Amino acid sequence: QSALTQPRSVSGSPGQSVTISCTGTSSDVGGYNFVSWYQQYPGKAPRVIIFDVNKRPSGVPDRFSGSKSGDTASLTISGLQAEDEAEYYCCSYAGTFAFVFGEATKLTVL
Amino acid sequence: QLQLQESGPGLVKPSETLSLTCTVFGGTIFNFNYHWGWVRQPPGRGLEWIGSIHYSGSAYYSPSLKGRVTISVDPSKHQFSLNLGSVTAADTAIYSCARLPVTMRVPHYFDSWGQGALVTVSS
Repeated sequence: QSALTQPRSVSGSPGQSVTISCTGTSSDVGGYNFVSWYQQYPGKAPRVIIFDVNKRPSGVPDRFSGSKSGDTASLTISGLQAEDEAEYYCCSYAGTFAFVFGEATKLTVL
Repeated sequence: QLQLQESGPGLVKPSETLSLTCTVFGGTIFNFNYHWGWVRQPPGRGLEWIGSIHYSGSAYYSPSLKGRVTISVDPSKHQFSLNLGSVTAADTAIYSCARLPVTMRVPHYFDSWGQGALVTVSS
């Protein structure tokens, strides 16, 4: 299993939208609708913000949305806020009860 | 509210076994609808899935660690544990335990996390 591919960094101004991509293969992202996204602040535990490609846990603002096309999943954050500055990870089920994460994407709010 | 807490030695010598326990508070491991897993994060690097277990004892491991890793569960103590053998400096990381909801018998994401425990491998 190879790590999913994410951009190392993205940035945007307050109020703007940013999209983070997550590219895998047909054995993980493309093969299952079990992509999740996690937000992590420095020194803190990750927090799920999207699961099953496009579902939001209760308490997560609807500014966060997810989608998938083929082997690539995407996280879009609209109406950027300063508090969104964090690292973001995608994760996909990879069959046989296994998981693969992406490398972190550092979001900077300018 | 569910809470998970990791415990165990923060320093392990090379070639020895890393052992951590995760205690579940505010919930039960006796639940068919969840798996329980371990994830690690080397300093300055990304997340890596280590493995997961169901309360029945069925365990699943990362191919890259298979052969060195064992996850066990003790539902009566609300605990599950990680053992990683023959450790090297490359195993230095923050180790976190987490809960995984199950849909149609398949775990599909990590919905609750412990705070994580730093384990350093050094002589």
